[in-house]
Amino acid sequence: DTQMTQSPSSVSASVGDRVTITCRASQDVGTWFAWYQQIPGKAPKLLIKDASSLQSGVPSRFSGSGSGTHFTLSINNLQPEDFATYYCQQADNFPLTFGGGTKVEI
Amino acid sequence: EVQLEESGGGLVQPGGSLRLSCAASGFTFSNYWMYWVRQTPEKGLVWVSRLNPEGDLTKYADSVNGRFTISRDNAKNTLYLQMTNLRVEDTGLYYCARVPARGRYYFDYWGQGTLVTVSS
Repeated sequence: DTQMTQSPSSVSASVGDRVTITCRASQDVGTWFAWYQQIPGKAPKLLIKDASSLQSGVPSRFSGSGSGTHFTLSINNLQPEDFATYYCQQADNFPLTFGGGTKVEI
Repeated sequence: EVQLEESGGGLVQPGGSLRLSCAASGFTFSNYWMYWVRQTPEKGLVWVSRLNPEGDLTKYADSVNGRFTISRDNAKNTLYLQMTNLRVEDTGLYYCARVPARGRYYFDYWGQGTLVTVSS
């Protein structure tokens, strides 16, 4: 199985900050990779697909980069609604696997 | 508007059975591959199963293979997960989710989840 390791597990930030989250895959997944945002009590929401492609309707302050085994999610100009938990997922092989999550908190 | 609504969760004893349903609307359900994903505080998000649009190609996580059965009724726009011989470790919030196209393995829409608790 492809293990997904996210870091940090939590980060404290303020409105207006830039936040960067990292995810490493235990094997090469190319750009078959996604990022999700989860607000407490809600389902995950797709933010980034194919490592760097913004999902329709997602604000442009979110961006993704990387390929192979190293990926990053950046959030510029952090907004109050961005305080949530973020998950990475490899979409290359089965079983599909997710990172453990990064909680962005005030 | 795409909507997925799960139901059927509840409290069940180890060894028991449960059937989850996921009612889909707002898109042509019969065209899409559908998945089940489980979430727990301990293990986070875990992929459980997938099914093709025609309902004849299935895939399961090793942990549920042989105990869970995914199926669909395209006439009713509904996805199912029959869960048997349930274990404590099957406890979690079960989401149904859609992938946007064949060969794409990320989830563009999720339901709100249904909670399954396996406990004596």
